[in-house]
Parts: sequence; structure tokens; C-alpha cells
Amino acid sequence: DAKTTQPPSMDCAEGRAANLPCNHSTISGNEYVYWYRQIHSQGPQYIIHGLKNNETNEMASLIITEDRKSSTLILPHATLRDTAVYYCIVKKSNDYKLSFGAGTTVTVRA
Amino acid sequence: DAGITQSPRHKVTETGTPVTLRCHQTENHRYMYWYRQDPGHGLRLIHYSYGVKDTDKGEVSDGYSVSRSKTEDFLLTLESATSSQTSVYFCAISGHMIGARNAEAFFGQGTRLTVV
Repeated sequence: DAKTTQPPSMDCAEGRAANLPCNHSTISGNEYVYWYRQIHSQGPQYIIHGLKNNETNEMASLIITEDRKSSTLILPHATLRDTAVYYCIVKKSNDYKLSFGAGTTVTVRA
Repeated sequence: DAGITQSPRHKVTETGTPVTLRCHQTENHRYMYWYRQDPGHGLRLIHYSYGVKDTDKGEVSDGYSVSRSKTEDFLLTLESATSSQTSVYFCAISGHMIGARNAEAFFGQGTRLTVV
């Protein structure tokens, strides 16, 4: 699986958009980009995933660059409950396993 | 929340004793996973299952065994618990091969295990 690089931490103001970057310069053609988050003491929660095109759901938007070497998770209106560790994961389409890195600790401040 | 139940939620056990953690799902998902989470190491995959009686090792499988005799239950056993196995254990399920559309994994609430 391709390696991902995320900033260790970032702050965001409540009500503002949070833009979380992820670099995956060694991504291959059949690897998807997944985002999960883990709120303190809870199990990780799926947010969104994509292959090439930008994706949006009720939680977030995922923007993948044209060369697919990086992506950005956007939380459009961050709330205090969005404070969590956010994981960017790159997965081969035929691999069962989901491997987590260190993630980005996002703190939303009032 | 996806129908995943981990039991027990908390356990304290002595070094050298066997321990079994249970993951029960009501989603009829094919894939099940056991992870451990420790400070400084993040989430690490212990074992996973891709069907009844079909299991494989993850990155930190030493000292652990698993069994899946039916779709809904995935058991993690520490044959002889050691202090290094003190951790928070998470079970996860997935309905499709990872990477396919709608292949997200759902996680349980975790089991906090302390080996003294």
C-alpha cells in the first residue's frame, strides 16, 4: 500500500471549514483514498473515500488532485464535535486490510 | 451505529492467564478484523477474517489466535496474557472487499484490557 503523509496536528475555528491535507505521492492506479476519524476513546468512524473524482457526502468532501498524489478532506462547517484524529489511508482494491498511520489531530476551538 | 458488539468492554487479568475477547455482528458482513491501539503506535491489525473459518494474520499477530465458526462471531484469544498485551482492542467489520464501492469498515466501541 502507498504511504501517506499528514500533518500531526491542526486547529480550526468552530463554524469555519477545516481543510485536512494528505500526501500520497506513491499511490498506484488501483488504490483508493479513504478517510476515517477517531473521536477520543471511540472506535474509528468512516468518513468518505474516492478513487479519482471528487466525492461529497453528508459529513465531508474529498478533493483528489488530478495526478492523485495528494488529497484534501474538507469539513465544511466544523463543530466542536469534529475534534478527533483524522486518518488518511490508501488501499489497494483487492486487499482486505486497512492500515492506519498516525493521522492528524484536529482541534476545533470555539 | 452498525451492529457490532464487543465483550467484555473492560477486563483486568493476570499475567499467564488465557483471555478471550468476543466480537459479535448483526450485519451479516463477510469481513471481520481485530486491531489493537496503543499510545505511540496507533491502530495495528492483529488478525482478520474473510469468511467463516477463513482467517489470516495481521502485522502484530504473535501471541494471539482467532476463530470464526459462524458469520456473526469473531473471537480473539490471548493464550497466555502478558503485560505487553495491555491495550485497547477494536473489532471491525466490512461488507465488501476493501477498495470497492461501499466498502467502508465499521468499528466497535473497543475493549480495554489490562494485564497485571
